[in-house]
Amino acid sequence: GQNIDQPTEMTATEGAIVQINCTYQTSGFNGLFWYQQHAGEAPTFLSYNVLDGLEEKGRFSSFLSRSKGYSYLLLKELQMKDSASYLCAFMDSNYQLIWGAGTKLIIKP
Amino acid sequence: GAVVSQHPSWVICKSGTSVKIECRSLDFQATTMFWYRQFPKQSLMLMATSNEGSKATYEQGVEKDKFLINHASLTLSTLTVTSAHPEDSSFYICSAREGEGINGYTFGSGTRLTVV
Repeated sequence: GQNIDQPTEMTATEGAIVQINCTYQTSGFNGLFWYQQHAGEAPTFLSYNVLDGLEEKGRFSSFLSRSKGYSYLLLKELQMKDSASYLCAFMDSNYQLIWGAGTKLIIKP
Repeated sequence: GAVVSQHPSWVICKSGTSVKIECRSLDFQATTMFWYRQFPKQSLMLMATSNEGSKATYEQGVEKDKFLINHASLTLSTLTVTSAHPEDSSFYICSAREGEGINGYTFGSGTRLTVV
């Protein structure tokens, strides 16, 4: 079967670093996506990993290990505007996105 | 970059009426469009997948006669919630994908539907 899991909620301090983990199980895999979603808004694309390793994009980095079914999103120099839900999703063999439940990230001053 | 326009942003309707939500790809041809529903504090739930010119494929548990999807052109898909009830109140989001295979999904801005 297919499943995907990520923590429900995390709290971090402004200026700090936070890592949001995502684990998944699937027989067909065509990459893993991370999206950011602010309350009441649609998700916006953050990153896409299809090969193992770390992809860095400014303050945000995303890592993938296909053998472990594991990804993480790393946010550096946290800002208050980073308070949002972060959704991981893998693309299955039919090129459909299978979504995690989202991790609500709370940033404290 | 790719832009998907979704209208209306929010709508309030009375029970028993129907509401139509439009999703347009502005600068690309959307081979496939997806309709999601999201209840408060929950993740996106895929309702249906539509390909231009063909009938939508609905996920299990989604009533196709209640949620009518039309994808008449490569740039427009509509979702009509028929005979709306308060339990249909939710955040509806469309997304579009250009071409096949591994192409990113672009999301519309979402529609907040409240049925009173």
